[in-house]
Amino acid sequence: DIQMTQSPSSLSTSVGDRVTITCRASQTINNYLNWYQQKPGKAPKLLISDASNLQSGVPSRFSGSGSGTDFTLTISSLQPEDFAAYYCQQSYRIPYTFGQGTKLEIK
Amino acid sequence: QVQLVESGGGVVQPGRSLRLSCAASGFTFSRYAMHWVRQAPGKGLEWVAVTPFDGTNKYYADSVRGRFTISRDNSKNTLDLQMSSLKLEDTAVYYCARSDIVATIDYWGQGTLVTVSS
Repeated sequence: DIQMTQSPSSLSTSVGDRVTITCRASQTINNYLNWYQQKPGKAPKLLISDASNLQSGVPSRFSGSGSGTDFTLTISSLQPEDFAAYYCQQSYRIPYTFGQGTKLEIK
Repeated sequence: QVQLVESGGGVVQPGRSLRLSCAASGFTFSRYAMHWVRQAPGKGLEWVAVTPFDGTNKYYADSVRGRFTISRDNSKNTLDLQMSSLKLEDTAVYYCARSDIVATIDYWGQGTLVTVSS
């Protein structure tokens, strides 16, 4: 199975900060990497597909990059509604494994 | 709009069975692969199973293979997950989700809670 390792697991940060979350795959997954946002008690929401494809309706402060094994999700200027958990997931090979998640908390 | 509505969750004893269902609407169900993903309380997301658009194949996580069965009925726009020999560690919110041909999950249901407890 492909292991997905996210870092950090949690981050205490402030409105207006620039935040970068990294995701590393245990083997190459080309660009088959998706990012999800999940708020407490809610289903995940797709933010970025194929490593860098911003989904319709997602604010442009979110961006994704990377290919092969190393990927990043960047939030250029954190807004209050961005405090949530973020997960990467590889859609390259079954089982479609997720990273362990990154929780953004208010400093 | 796309809607996925899960049902069937509840409290069940270890070793027993439970069947989850997901009713889909707002899109052409027979054109999409469908997944089950779960989330244990306070934990991260775990992919569970997938079936392609026509239901001909079924794939599972190692943790549920041999105990869970995913199935779909394209005439009724429904997705099921038959869970047997349930274990305490199967306790989770179970999400029904749809994906495109490259397996990107783009829509999720609201989830249904399964609690395995004696």
